[in-house]
Amino acid sequence: AQKITQTQPGMFVQEKEAVTLDCTYDTSDPSYGLFWYKQPSSGEMIFLIYQGSYDQQNATEGRYSLNFQKARKSANLVISASQLGDSAMYFCAILNAGGTSYGKLTFGQGTILTVHP
Amino acid sequence: EPEVTQTPSHQVTQMGQEVILRCVPISNHLYFYWYRQILGQKVEFLVSFYNNEISEKSEIFDDQFSVERPDGSNFTLKIRSTKLEDSAMYFCASSPGGMTYEQYFGPGTRLTVT
Repeated sequence: AQKITQTQPGMFVQEKEAVTLDCTYDTSDPSYGLFWYKQPSSGEMIFLIYQGSYDQQNATEGRYSLNFQKARKSANLVISASQLGDSAMYFCAILNAGGTSYGKLTFGQGTILTVHP
Repeated sequence: EPEVTQTPSHQVTQMGQEVILRCVPISNHLYFYWYRQILGQKVEFLVSFYNNEISEKSEIFDDQFSVERPDGSNFTLKIRSTKLEDSAMYFCASSPGGMTYEQYFGPGTRLTVT
């Protein structure tokens, strides 16, 4: 079974500064993927970034980067140059990419990010 | 840009009634999913669907739930006899499959059971 832990219920950051949202995971599968989703107050789930367990380089998508430390089983999201529109709930999720569980996402509890002007 | 759509955006129903939540996945995607999120809680996996059959289901997905892909575009979740605890946001997601694992979520249907 997979497990995701997000230990920060809430985070605050000043506009234009960088912020790191923590995520640790537990899985016995050698092949897996890690995702980050953003959920604004309107409720939709917006895909941000993906990191495969065999990817050598950390994933980046614009202002988002994923700090993947496999030995520590961590997959922290770094948002650079925060904007007011980044205020939202952020979910880390793990995907099992093998066996019969292909495509099932297991989510963490989420971190509420508030960006101050 | 193609996106997953869901209807209705909000459904209110009485306990014991049947509801059908509808989703149109991205057209060339092969894998389809339903997740739910009870207010204030994390998103939970319900069921995955591939090649016209269920790939995996969670313990939440009991006999009251069913999924169907009645035609080439729609993907539905039916709850036969709703309970108060079924009140949640229900998300449909789709994925292209192969070596692409990203799952794209629809905007969700908020189900309120009274």
